Amino acid sequence: KAGVTQTPRYLIKTRGQQVTLSCSPISGHRSVSWYQQTPGQGLQFLFEYFSETQRNKGNFPGRFSGRQFSNSRSEMNVSTLELGDSALYLCASSLLSQDSPGANVLTFGAGSRLTVL
Amino acid sequence: GDSVTQMEGPVTLSEEAFLTINCTYTATGYPSLFWYVQYPGEGLQLLLKATKADDKGSNKGFEATYRKETTSFHLEKGSVQVSDSAVYFCALNYGNKLVFGAGTILRVKS
Repeated sequence: KAGVTQTPRYLIKTRGQQVTLSCSPISGHRSVSWYQQTPGQGLQFLFEYFSETQRNKGNFPGRFSGRQFSNSRSEMNVSTLELGDSALYLCASSLLSQDSPGANVLTFGAGSRLTVL
Repeated sequence: GDSVTQMEGPVTLSEEAFLTINCTYTATGYPSLFWYVQYPGEGLQLLLKATKADDKGSNKGFEATYRKETTSFHLEKGSVQVSDSAVYFCALNYGNKLVFGAGTILRVKS
């Protein structure tokens, strides 16, 4: 069973540019979440999508956006990049059981490492 | 709001030593609790989980017990190996959103 696939794995951008990151969830998983990991702030929740709808959003500026497609694949976009956006962006997918949502196990991809110069 | 506090690292141990990494949480309601591990250059891997009070999660020799009375979920292993060297994250899940601790670096020397 294939895991969560994120592309690209590494990318370098300059300030002011925009970037799009892609995530393919595990087959059958309909929930996709995004997290930002930095040395200073640690792991922070960005947003979660289920059935093409954003269900939850973290405390990030509007420059950070995302979407989910009908095949559950997801993309996130960061516009007008800043130096502080340099981070490892992690995508996670889960089955999202309605019976016990808190017990859902999130499976993470290897991440996309973004460097902003 | 919900939060997770982990002991600061790095934790440096000799091979076959006993490991404890402390984790406490603050949450409304009754979240599920998780330990994730991150090896260099990789994403997060689920190590173990517990979904309700007094549950014990275990995997690969690691154990953690959900203690509601002390709001804790400490990670333990009886005998660590060099291959256990990694960063360990404690997390709670409430509403399918994970809240992570800061992470604890574990270094195991041979």
